[in-house]
Amino acid sequence: LAKTTQPISMDSYEGQEVNITCSHNNIATNDYITWYQQFPSQGPRFIIQGYKTKVTNEVASLFIPADRKSSTLSLPRVSLSDTAVYYCLVGDGPGSSNTGKLIFGQGTTLQVKP
Amino acid sequence: GAGVSQSPRYKVAKRGQDVALRCDPISGHVSLFWYQQALGQGPEFLTYFQNEAQLDKSGLPSDRFFAERPEGSVSTLKIQRTQQEDSAVYLCASSHRSRSYEQYFGPGTRLTVT
Repeated sequence: LAKTTQPISMDSYEGQEVNITCSHNNIATNDYITWYQQFPSQGPRFIIQGYKTKVTNEVASLFIPADRKSSTLSLPRVSLSDTAVYYCLVGDGPGSSNTGKLIFGQGTTLQVKP
Repeated sequence: GAGVSQSPRYKVAKRGQDVALRCDPISGHVSLFWYQQALGQGPEFLTYFQNEAQLDKSGLPSDRFFAERPEGSVSTLKIQRTQQEDSAVYLCASSHRSRSYEQYFGPGTRLTVT
């Protein structure tokens, strides 16, 4: 499974767009990129998953350049409730031989200020 | 609908006691995972079930840890002769597909060994 590198922490203000970049230089051809969000005293929550280009859902957008060696999670107009830890994970996609176990790093702690 | 539930939410055990942690996955979910999360760290994989079959237990830290899912739904993680280093949050996650990175987590059980 590819190793990921992301900033330990980030600060932002309410209403701003936040971009969290994750590096995964050794990503394999079959690997998908998945992001999770974790609030204090809760389990992680799946946010978004992508393979290439851009993926958007009601929560976030995920931008993946052509070489797929990095990805950027974009949170539009953050609010105080977006304060959380964000994890970038890289691994085999659906249907692969991998069991699907998630390998978490330390994540990025996002602090949104009023 | 109901999400993943875990009980108890908090457990205090004296060193040497046995504990049992319960996970009720989302109904119909095939895959069930257990993770351990130490303070300030990302979750770490413990074990994986596909229905009632335990397909991966490579993350269990010692033979004091045992997990089961006898009927392919509810799962129990048992820790025998607890040690202080077992203090952590134990998270359960389920997924409707096998080998899926989109997993739904419960709130966790915080175990404190004194």
